Amino acid sequence: NAGVTQTPKFQVLKTGQSMTLQCAQDMNHEYMSWYRQDPGMGLRLIHYSVGAGITDQGEVPNGYNVSRSTTEDFPLRLLSAAPSQTSVYFCASSYRGAGDEQYFGPGTRLTVT
Amino acid sequence: KQEVTQIPAALSVPEGENLVLNCSFTDSAIYNLQWFRQDPGKGLTSLLLIQSSQREQTSGRLNASLDKSSGRSTLYIAASQPGDSATYLCAVQTDSWGKFQFGAGTQVVVTP
Repeated sequence: NAGVTQTPKFQVLKTGQSMTLQCAQDMNHEYMSWYRQDPGMGLRLIHYSVGAGITDQGEVPNGYNVSRSTTEDFPLRLLSAAPSQTSVYFCASSYRGAGDEQYFGPGTRLTVT
Repeated sequence: KQEVTQIPAALSVPEGENLVLNCSFTDSAIYNLQWFRQDPGKGLTSLLLIQSSQREQTSGRLNASLDKSSGRSTLYIAASQPGDSATYLCAVQTDSWGKFQFGAGTQVVVTP
């Protein structure tokens, strides 16, 4: 198993540009989520999904969109990038969510200038 | 709202000493608690998962305890090694769908 994979590893955007961060898992996990990590603030939940076709907002959803058309993929879209979205983004998955171990991808480091 | 705190933010110990890392949370209604390790520029690696009904969990040199009533978990790492240098994060599961609330982490340096 490749586990949780994320692309790209690094990205630089200009303010106002849009892009999609990719996340995929091959463990047949139902639950997937996106976090952002900022210095001194820990990880904060952006959006999550409990299965194909079902998504919901986390703690910091503004400026981000998600969709889940397959079990394997959970892309995160930045609609109009802002400098405040400069961060490291992590995707995670777990089998069902409740009571199950979370597995994390290697992260995408995004800089918005 | 659940808040998770890890104190201290940074810790330096000589090799061979036991490490004690603390995690506290404000709401005892949690589903489980997970400890992670993060190396610089890398993702998170799961170390231990403690279900809400458990008091502790062990894996090799690692032992984690959970006291829900007092809102605390402690991660013990026995006989620390320089390879244990990393940031350690704790996270509590706050709902049945699997949402987690993270602490900011404790950065550990083990000196040879």
